[in-house]
Amino acid sequence: AQSVTQPDIHITVSEGASLELRCNYSYGATPYLFWYVQSPGQGLQLLLKYFSGDTLVQGIKGFEAEFKRSQSSFNLRKPSVHWSDAAEYFCALNAGNMLTFGGGTRLMVKP
Amino acid sequence: NAGVTQTPKFQVLKTGQSMTLQCAQDMNHNSMYWYRQDPGMGLRLIYYSASEGTTDKGEVPNGYNVSRLNKREFSLRLESAAPSQTSVYFCASSKTGASGGYTFGSGTRLTVV
Repeated sequence: AQSVTQPDIHITVSEGASLELRCNYSYGATPYLFWYVQSPGQGLQLLLKYFSGDTLVQGIKGFEAEFKRSQSSFNLRKPSVHWSDAAEYFCALNAGNMLTFGGGTRLMVKP
Repeated sequence: NAGVTQTPKFQVLKTGQSMTLQCAQDMNHNSMYWYRQDPGMGLRLIYYSASEGTTDKGEVPNGYNVSRLNKREFSLRLESAAPSQTSVYFCASSKTGASGGYTFGSGTRLTVV
């Protein structure tokens, strides 16, 4: 069965610092992968998605993610974090008709 | 564009009460989903409807029922609420299947006391 693991439950970074959120997956075929962001009290918003081709994917709000098949990873990165990036981030994998989500990583940004 | 609309936004139920969570989308999407979100567990699929007229169980269907009323609407019913069903419930939709990702509603926060 497919699964998604986000090893870091909480991450704190200083404003202006770089960010990397980890995501590992388990799936028997080529995955479709997604990153979503959830601001407090809100629904989830799609940041970016990977289907095939270029393994470095650009998304909204200055985020990017790199697919590494050999490591079964799809890590999310941002060069310089802004206070408004504080939120919860979810990695997800498409298997069949549905998405399977990781447990989420809560990002806190220090001024 | 309204996207995916969920009602109500908040609800408190007593154990044993029943209620229906409503979800409607105006994007002409074929597929609709109900997830629950619990701390540290991400989102878990309760039920989904791949297309109008079909519904299927997800990972955690026990205690829930669904109805795909028409192409726009997909409701989730709790027949006899239990404290373990305290959660935030999200409805989502997609054009067809999940390969393109979902559009989410803003959620219903349900507390069962």
